[in-house]
Amino acid sequence: GQQVMQIPQYQHVQEGEDFTTYCNSSTTLSNIQWYKQRPGGHPVFLIQLVKSGEVKKQKRLTFQFGEAKKNSSLHITATQTTDVGTYFCAGPLGNDMRFGAGTRLTVKP
Amino acid sequence: DGGITQSPKYLFRKEGQNVTLSCEQNLNHDAMYWYRQDPGQGLRLIYYSQIVNDFQKGDIAEGYSVSREKKESFPLTVTSAQKNPTAFYLCASSQGRQGLDTQYFGPGTRLTVL
Repeated sequence: GQQVMQIPQYQHVQEGEDFTTYCNSSTTLSNIQWYKQRPGGHPVFLIQLVKSGEVKKQKRLTFQFGEAKKNSSLHITATQTTDVGTYFCAGPLGNDMRFGAGTRLTVKP
Repeated sequence: DGGITQSPKYLFRKEGQNVTLSCEQNLNHDAMYWYRQDPGQGLRLIYYSQIVNDFQKGDIAEGYSVSREKKESFPLTVTSAQKNPTAFYLCASSQGRQGLDTQYFGPGTRLTVL
């Protein structure tokens, strides 16, 4: 079936190192959304990408949407302990919003 | 103060009992959703509703039921037919049609069936 795949499942970094999570869809997406869930919390919307090849930045976070609109990435530059959490991508497939399994980021101070 | 609320935060039930989880929003959103999250897992859609008195099954609707009698409320009942109900349940809402609009999540209800 139609899926949104996300890798890696886990990423442990030293504070100050960079971090990237990747999202891939089996079909073309009209848009892709990114959410962050802090430990014990609920997902919070970060950003939505709509255009092919789109790049958006939020401070140390850079979001990209692939040219074919089938993949996306989130890159964090110089991670901080406040970046800890699980990052989810989500895209509309059929009548549903499909979430990736998430990448859980831990940061060692 | 606008937002989406879920109650209770923690819920314990005995096996074989039905239980209803509350979800209320005052954002005037048309669409509402229920997701299930298991430890270390992503979000799986249980049910969604795009308009009052209408709702659709998601990927894992078996053992669950919902109602949408009011725009601001979308309660989820976990029935005794749900074989593995212990999980974290998240309710969300969005302005319009799913997939095009940002989803706003409630704080979640952690259900434990003993």
